[in-house]
Amino acid sequence: EAGVAQSPRYKIIEKRQSVAFWCNPISGHATLYWYQQILGQGPKLLIQFQNNGVVDDSQLPKDRFSAERLKGVDSTLKIQPAKLEDSAVYLCASSRRGGLLAHEQYFGPGTRLTVT
Amino acid sequence: DQQVKQNSPSLSVQEGRISILNCDYTNSMFDYFLWYKKYPAEGPTFLISISSIKDKNEDGRFTVFLNKSAKHLSLHIVPSQPGDSAVYFCAASLYLLSSNAGGTSYGKLTFGQGTILTVHP
Repeated sequence: EAGVAQSPRYKIIEKRQSVAFWCNPISGHATLYWYQQILGQGPKLLIQFQNNGVVDDSQLPKDRFSAERLKGVDSTLKIQPAKLEDSAVYLCASSRRGGLLAHEQYFGPGTRLTVT
Repeated sequence: DQQVKQNSPSLSVQEGRISILNCDYTNSMFDYFLWYKKYPAEGPTFLISISSIKDKNEDGRFTVFLNKSAKHLSLHIVPSQPGDSAVYFCAASLYLLSSNAGGTSYGKLTFGQGTILTVHP
């Protein structure tokens, strides 16, 4: 079974620029998550999709961050414009739908973003 | 508001000995707890979990203990191996609360800051 794929792996941009991250979840996984992990901290959930619908985006800074999951498979996360404090690793995860299985999340390798 | 805390940033253990990683939480409504392991340049991988109706769950060399009254859980690794060297995150969830309410919070996890475990040969 192929794992969660993310690209790019690394990205360096200047503040006020835009950036987009891509995620391809494990085949058949209905739930997809985007996390932000700042150095020295644990992952923080930004947004959760169930198929192509958003079920939780309470911690997503909506003035600059946006995400979509077209056709319930791949997803993109965009930051526009970026700030210095957005420097972090952005992790994508997926899980099967329903019950305790939803908690066993499979993570991609992440995209390390540096904003200068 | 850090609802899940791992107060030890790092732990160093000799190969073959026991590693004990600790985690505290403040939200008494959390009812499902997980441990994830993370190697450098990789995403976290699920290790072991425990429901609030239990106080212990064992899987091979890994055992998780839950003390609800103290809002504390720990991960024991026995015996520790050099390949166990990684960052360990505990995570908590409102599983029963969300499912009983027909909620959409399935899988929403709150993570601790992580503990770096180093196992020396």
